[in-house]
Amino acid sequence: KQEVTQIPAALSVPEGENLVLNCSFTDSAIYNLQWFRQDPGKGLTSLLLIQSSQREQTSGRLNASLDKSSGRSTLYIAASQPGDSATYLCAVTDSGYSTLTFGKGTMLLVSP
Amino acid sequence: KAGVTQTPRYLIKTRGQQVTLSCSPISGHRSVSWYQQTPGQGLQFLFEYFSETQRNKGNFPGRFSGRQFSNSRSEMNVSTLELGDSALYLCASSFSGEGQETQYFGPGTRLLVL
Repeated sequence: KQEVTQIPAALSVPEGENLVLNCSFTDSAIYNLQWFRQDPGKGLTSLLLIQSSQREQTSGRLNASLDKSSGRSTLYIAASQPGDSATYLCAVTDSGYSTLTFGKGTMLLVSP
Repeated sequence: KAGVTQTPRYLIKTRGQQVTLSCSPISGHRSVSWYQQTPGQGLQFLFEYFSETQRNKGNFPGRFSGRQFSNSRSEMNVSTLELGDSALYLCASSFSGEGQETQYFGPGTRLLVL
């Protein structure tokens, strides 16, 4: 059974710092890995999708990498801003269907 | 293009009642998945529907059920509510529900069971 772990569970940084969020998964036979953002009490916003054949994806200040063989992904956020404060969730799809297995998330607080 | 919509946004029920939640996917999307989010368990997969057929199911009791209509809109039903069913229920849609697609989530329905 696939298990996804995210470290750290919470992170507090001052504005402007570059930071890395970590995600690991136990079964490397995945179709893709997605990073999501969730604001308090809200739904999920997809940030980046990395297909199993890809090594990384970039969108603006966000860069996500995938090392399938070691079961790891990182989300790099450059020049963090208070508006980046949210919970970041990592999820993998490990079947032909779209079922997502989620980590518990990293709660990020960026202080002005 | 309109996003995934869920109704109602908030619900308060008492133990033993039943509840029906609705999800309208992005236009053209035929796959709808449901997830339950609680502080203790995080996000857990409930079930997925494609073309009115349940294609995949998570590890939840039979009190949790769902259906999908010909226009791809989906409903989930929880019967005989328990306190532990209090959660944020999220639905997600994608074009065909294949593993390589991006999932788009709705804002969720927050259910409180008293």
